[in-house]
Amino acid sequence: GAVVSQHPSRVICKSGTSVKIECRSLDFQATTMFWYRQFPKQSLMLMATSNEGSKATYEQGVEKDKFLINHASLTLSTLTVTSAHPEDSSFYICSARENRGGVDGYTFGSGTRLTVV
Amino acid sequence: QKEVEQNSGPLSVPEGAIASLNCTYSDRVSQSFFWYRQYSGKSPELIMSIYSNGDKEDGRFTAQLNKASQYVSLLIRDSQPSDSATYLCAVSTGANSKLTFGKGITLSVRP
Repeated sequence: GAVVSQHPSRVICKSGTSVKIECRSLDFQATTMFWYRQFPKQSLMLMATSNEGSKATYEQGVEKDKFLINHASLTLSTLTVTSAHPEDSSFYICSARENRGGVDGYTFGSGTRLTVV
Repeated sequence: QKEVEQNSGPLSVPEGAIASLNCTYSDRVSQSFFWYRQYSGKSPELIMSIYSNGDKEDGRFTAQLNKASQYVSLLIRDSQPSDSATYLCAVSTGANSKLTFGKGITLSVRP
């Protein structure tokens, strides 16, 4: 089946620094990837849609200059949290969409637990 | 109105019982519907996907879709303690087919 690799799984960083999270589709090409954020005891909230070769589409309320998304190839999307602050501490999850036989399937990465101290 | 709504939980059922999870969605043109299971601290894992009206069965799981009522459900038969988790309903909407999640319901299966 489709596999999406997400790294790192955990990261602790100091306030004010930047953190990059990678999301790779290992056995399929993903023209569209999604980035989610999940706070404790809450559901997944879509942050942005990442399309290969074009600018990401951000959801309302998500700062595009703070959460930089790059989708330079069909198998890799990155999310960079710039000037991280403690309130950015969360579980970040990527998902890659693949269309198989006319229907969409979504494969999730294993998530990145970000702690900003 | 929220795009994807799930019954508020938590839901507790005894081992061996049927657990029934419900979800409604607001976008009438949605075409793809999913149920995910999420254990604490882990990423969601796909349980069922359903794309057309009716029932779809896979082992102990049955998904039901009614597009006219904008309703999708998940039945878990012979519930096991290992089924205890948060279940998320997700609907694909929009030009980018973005996946929108409900808030999830926590299921607890009592031994």
